[in-house]
Amino acid sequence: NAGVTQTPKFRILKIGQSMTLQCAQDMNHNYMYWYRQDPGMGLKLIYYSVGAGITDKGEVPNGYNVSRSTTEDFPLRLELAAPSQTSVYFCASRTWGSYEQYFGPGTRLTVT
Amino acid sequence: QKEVEQNSGPLSVPEGAIASLNCTYSDRGSQSFFWYRQYSGKSPELIMSIYSNGDKEDGRFTAQLNKASQYVSLLIRDSQPSDSATYLCAVSRDTGANSKLTFGKGITLSVRP
Repeated sequence: NAGVTQTPKFRILKIGQSMTLQCAQDMNHNYMYWYRQDPGMGLKLIYYSVGAGITDKGEVPNGYNVSRSTTEDFPLRLELAAPSQTSVYFCASRTWGSYEQYFGPGTRLTVT
Repeated sequence: QKEVEQNSGPLSVPEGAIASLNCTYSDRGSQSFFWYRQYSGKSPELIMSIYSNGDKEDGRFTAQLNKASQYVSLLIRDSQPSDSATYLCAVSRDTGANSKLTFGKGITLSVRP
């Protein structure tokens, strides 16, 4: 099992550009999450999904969009990137009946 | 706004000592409590979960929960240099499908050889 994988590992965007952060898990987990972590801060929930076709906003959804067409994949879309979106983005997943979230290695994004 | 506070830190202890990490939360309806360890440049890793008042021990780690006082703590016995990391406290109000975590900012622990 690869667990939770994220691509790319690093990315530099110019202001106004768009990109998609990829997240995939091979553990057949129902629930998937996107977080951002700013320096010296905890993780903030952006969006989450309880299953294919079902997504919902977290604490800081503005400027982001998600989709969940399959159980395995949960991409995060940034439209019109802004410097405030410079952060480390983590994807996580968990299975039904367990509260343990498994995290991917993260994507470090810089918007300049 | 539901908050999770981890105000003490950074924390430095000598090797072999007990490290005590504290966390308070504002939402009295919180039901699930977690400690994650995050090494520099890495992703968080769950090390302890606790759901009822009292102590829960797992090896050198003990989680303590007091819902009346709204705090949860993590004790690390016989601290090792490999325990040097940031420890994130996370709390969830919901159970089941809508369980979502609220994280504190973390406490950075340094264990001196």
